[in-house]
Amino acid sequence: AQSVTQLDSHVSVSEGTPVLLRCNYSSSYSPSLFWYVQHPNKGLQLLLKYTSAATLVKGINGFEAEFKKSETSFHLTKPSAHMSDAAEYFCVVSASGGSYIPTFGRGTSLIVHP
Amino acid sequence: DAGITQSPRHKVTETGTPVTLRCHQTENHRYMYWYRQDPGHGLRLIHYSYGVKDTDKGEVSDGYSVSRSKTEDFLLTLESATSSQTSVYFCAITPGTYNEQFFGPGTRLTVL
Repeated sequence: AQSVTQLDSHVSVSEGTPVLLRCNYSSSYSPSLFWYVQHPNKGLQLLLKYTSAATLVKGINGFEAEFKKSETSFHLTKPSAHMSDAAEYFCVVSASGGSYIPTFGRGTSLIVHP
Repeated sequence: DAGITQSPRHKVTETGTPVTLRCHQTENHRYMYWYRQDPGHGLRLIHYSYGVKDTDKGEVSDGYSVSRSKTEDFLLTLESATSSQTSVYFCAITPGTYNEQFFGPGTRLTVL
């Protein structure tokens, strides 16, 4: 069994300030973890992924995430927010053990103020 | 460009009519998925396929059926559309469990 919880439905930041989007997961098997971004009226795009290599994963557009097994977390961060970062972000867990169904979090809406 | 298209991109239909949405991939990936996206619910899995003629239900499969007669095409059918099926539908593909999914551009369906 697997699940993912995005701890905030909305996060509001000012342009130039750090971004933190929180994600906790549970999985009976060694998981793969993903962050996707969805801009308004667009499809989902992969930001970054963790697949049991380095625990600190760097993605596109300056985003990174750290896999912490002891905390079952995979939080997404960015040092300095840009207006173009305003979007919906989804954390996803996918694991082996016979299930080929990724599990999505409900999403976090990132709002960036000028 | 992950080589995945959806058609139609927009559709307005009336309650009780049948509707078929098409997902087409050029990547020859084994796994294909249909999701619906609604405010406050994120993406919810409707059906998925793990090969030609191999499909299974997701968490919100009631009122939907699927078919996959070729690797590249995955069809989603609403046999008798209802207003509760008004949503944005996304198709996704992936080569395997540890791999990321690639998403289509979405189909916006309105059932009046």
